[in-house]
Amino acid sequence: NAGVTQTPKFRILKIGQSMTLQCTQDMNHNYMYWYRQDPGMGLKLIYYSVGAGITDKGEVPNGYNVSRSTTEDFPLRLELAAPSQTSVYFCASSYHGTDDGYTFGSGTRLTVV
Amino acid sequence: GDSVTQMEGPVTLSEEACLTINCTYTATGYPSLFWYVQYPGEGLQLLLKATKADDKGSNKGFEATYRKETTSFHLEKGSVQVSDSAVYFCALSDPIGKLIFGQGTELSVKP
Repeated sequence: NAGVTQTPKFRILKIGQSMTLQCTQDMNHNYMYWYRQDPGMGLKLIYYSVGAGITDKGEVPNGYNVSRSTTEDFPLRLELAAPSQTSVYFCASSYHGTDDGYTFGSGTRLTVV
Repeated sequence: GDSVTQMEGPVTLSEEACLTINCTYTATGYPSLFWYVQYPGEGLQLLLKATKADDKGSNKGFEATYRKETTSFHLEKGSVQVSDSAVYFCALSDPIGKLIFGQGTELSVKP
């Protein structure tokens, strides 16, 4: 049972480039989330989804886009990368929402130069 | 809006020392409360949770009690080990079911 799988683990982007961070879960979870983690700042929610075809903005959505065409996949798209998007990105999933606890992926460390 | 405040780190302890990491929250309603742990290079893992006032969550020797009167959920362990070195996050569930995290507290346990 793989849980939540994120790819890539590391990436360096140049300013203005685009990329997609991949996230896949094999637990048939309805809810999926994207967070960014900055030093000393905890985790901030970027986008979330409560099921296939449904997405919504979190606390810090600017500069990002998501889609949820299947239950398993929840990719995060960065358009026109900026240095402020240098961060560690975590994808998470849960079955019913928060009370079950989230399952997190191992993260993607992104540097924009 | 809802928020979580944790004591600042890093916290450095000797093995077998007692641990307390303070966590207080501000929330509308009665959220569920969580502690997550992040080991170096890994994602977050659920450590324990409490879903209503006076509940005590416990796991791996850690425990925390949901105190509504003081809006607190402090993490405690009686005797820490080197393997407990990690970053600990307190979190609450907001009214529409998303987690709001504190800033994290780094714990370093020395032999």
